[in-house]
Amino acid sequence: DQQVKQNSPSLSVQEGRISILNCDYTNSMFDYFLWYKKYPAEGPTFLISISSIKDKNEDGRFTVFLNKSAKHLSLHIVPSQPGDSAVYFCAASAPDSWGKLQFGAGTQVVVTP
Amino acid sequence: DVKVTQSSRYLVKRTGEKVFLECVQDMDHENMFWYRQDPGLGLRLIYFSYDVKMKEKGDIPEGYSVSREKKERFSLILESASTNQTSMYLCANRGRGTDTQYFGPGTRLTVL
Repeated sequence: DQQVKQNSPSLSVQEGRISILNCDYTNSMFDYFLWYKKYPAEGPTFLISISSIKDKNEDGRFTVFLNKSAKHLSLHIVPSQPGDSAVYFCAASAPDSWGKLQFGAGTQVVVTP
Repeated sequence: DVKVTQSSRYLVKRTGEKVFLECVQDMDHENMFWYRQDPGLGLRLIYFSYDVKMKEKGDIPEGYSVSREKKERFSLILESASTNQTSMYLCANRGRGTDTQYFGPGTRLTVL
């Protein structure tokens, strides 16, 4: 039973526009959320994270929003660039879980010129 | 910067062979993890280790075992490889005081 869901397997966006990636979770114990970016034939790269005590975290072009009541988080990329074309994974962890992460299935983002 | 290295980027093995995948970290982190990544399924945890000689099953441990004899090294073992173990295998470690994990480059394993 997947506890972290990314319902959009793919997203196409024009260069310069905003990319919005969505993620839903079912486990109310999750208190730390992360986004990873992955290019083909490489390991995932940590992008940005947010603790459940916040509702927004920003790092350059990347902003993560957390809505705890809806068990929903989103990643905004503004402006999108061709180098952002990759698979993005949402992940979550719960306290006292040895730092184990539950991952979503991923969203393939394609940024077109 | 945390560095995680994996012994091979690409590996081709035959059904029934014993396969060793090695992961080495250059930091003094206790927690290390092995995942496999398959299209449409995301990353699924196979095993993790929270200290030397300590190991715990993840979500899909069947067909796999692990070894952690030294803190910096975490090995994944496929006792008898099968075609359904064809996948991308990813090793990670966990930064101290955080749940952020840092991944190696991955090993693409093909079992024929």
